[in-house]
Amino acid sequence: AQSVSQHNHHVILSEAASLELGCNYSYGGTVNLFWYVQYPGQHLQLLLKYLSGDPLVKGIKGFEAEFIKSKFSFNLRKPSVQWSDTAEYFCAVSRNSGNTPLVFGKGTRLSVIA
Amino acid sequence: DAMVIQNPRYQVTQFGKPVTLSCSQTLNHNVMYWYQQKSSQAPKLLFHYYDKDFNNEADTPDNFQSRRPNTSFCFLDIRSPGLGDAAMYLCATSSGSLEQYFGPGTRLTVT
Repeated sequence: AQSVSQHNHHVILSEAASLELGCNYSYGGTVNLFWYVQYPGQHLQLLLKYLSGDPLVKGIKGFEAEFIKSKFSFNLRKPSVQWSDTAEYFCAVSRNSGNTPLVFGKGTRLSVIA
Repeated sequence: DAMVIQNPRYQVTQFGKPVTLSCSQTLNHNVMYWYQQKSSQAPKLLFHYYDKDFNNEADTPDNFQSRRPNTSFCFLDIRSPGLGDAAMYLCATSSGSLEQYFGPGTRLTVT
């Protein structure tokens, strides 16, 4: 069965530090890859997605992610975090065929301190 | 604006008393999903509709049922809520297997 692993449960960074959150998936076929963010008390929002093409994708609020097929990874990065980036980040994967729902990772909680 | 709407935002029910949560969408998406999300955990897929085709996850308890009377609406029925069913229930929609759009959720409290 498909699975998504986010290795960091909780990350604490100071403002202006660089961020990288890891995401690995288990499915060997063609996949769609997503990062969602959930700010405190708010609903899940799409941060960025990879469907095809350039493996380096840019999302909202300065986030980017790189799809490395050989490593089954889709890590999320931001060069300089802000306090407002404090949130829960979820990686999600779906197979790029037919009706296949998203499989979510367990999430990584990011706390940015001043 | 096109969106996913969930009502109510907060629901309190008694142990064993049936409850229905509703979701509507203006995106005209063919797929609708129901997730359960407990504190600090990933959303857990309960079931989804691909058009009218109902897809139940293997580990979704029988206590949870769903109805989709038309493209725009989808309901989650919990027949006999237990204390362990207290959670945030999220509705989402998508067009095929592309990204999902989530509603704000309904927070269910069971007393």
